[in-house]
Amino acid sequence: GEDVEQSLFLSVREGDSSVINCTYTDSSSTYLYWYKQEPGAGLQLLTYIFSNMDMKQDQRLTVLLNKKDKHLSLRIADTQTGDSAIYFCAERTGGYQKVTFGTGTKLQVIP
Amino acid sequence: DAGVIQSPRHEVTEMGQEVTLRCKPISGHNSLFWYRQTMMRGLELLIYFNNNVPIDDSGMPEDRFSAKMPNASFSTLKIQPSEPRDSAVYFCASSLGGTGSYEQYFGPGTRLTVT
Repeated sequence: GEDVEQSLFLSVREGDSSVINCTYTDSSSTYLYWYKQEPGAGLQLLTYIFSNMDMKQDQRLTVLLNKKDKHLSLRIADTQTGDSAIYFCAERTGGYQKVTFGTGTKLQVIP
Repeated sequence: DAGVIQSPRHEVTEMGQEVTLRCKPISGHNSLFWYRQTMMRGLELLIYFNNNVPIDDSGMPEDRFSAKMPNASFSTLKIQPSEPRDSAVYFCASSLGGTGSYEQYFGPGTRLTVT
């Protein structure tokens, strides 16, 4: 079955790096995603990684994928107060376009 | 593009009333998803459509919930009768199939309060 887990809360100081972790159970995942949800808004795609990749970098964002351990992480460099939000990990396991979302990690950035 | 459009943005209704939530997906997208978000249960997939056909409705809580997609540019989620435990934020999302990454684009949500 599909199950995606994340820690609920992370607090960092402005300027530090943030690392948000995610574990998933379905080894047949094809795409893994990171979404950001700001207060009062819908989820917005930040980045994604295909399952045959180990790492993807996009400006301040670095995604690391460890398929053996079914572990995905999102690193945000030089974290800013505007990065405060809930971050969702998600996996697509094939079959149409259904995606399973994690529980979300609330990132708090302290000025 | 205007993105995914949902209406109304806020809905307050009394228990027992019928509630209809509306969604217009991004033009050209062929899949549409309805989610519910609460503090207790997080983000739950209720139902999704592919090419206007319901594919998986296993997340629909009970018979009080129904969803339709009469054409590629419109979908509704109906709750009849509504109950206080249905209070949540309901999101619609759409995506484009094919050979892409299938990312979903979310609407701003409808905040439903049932008193």
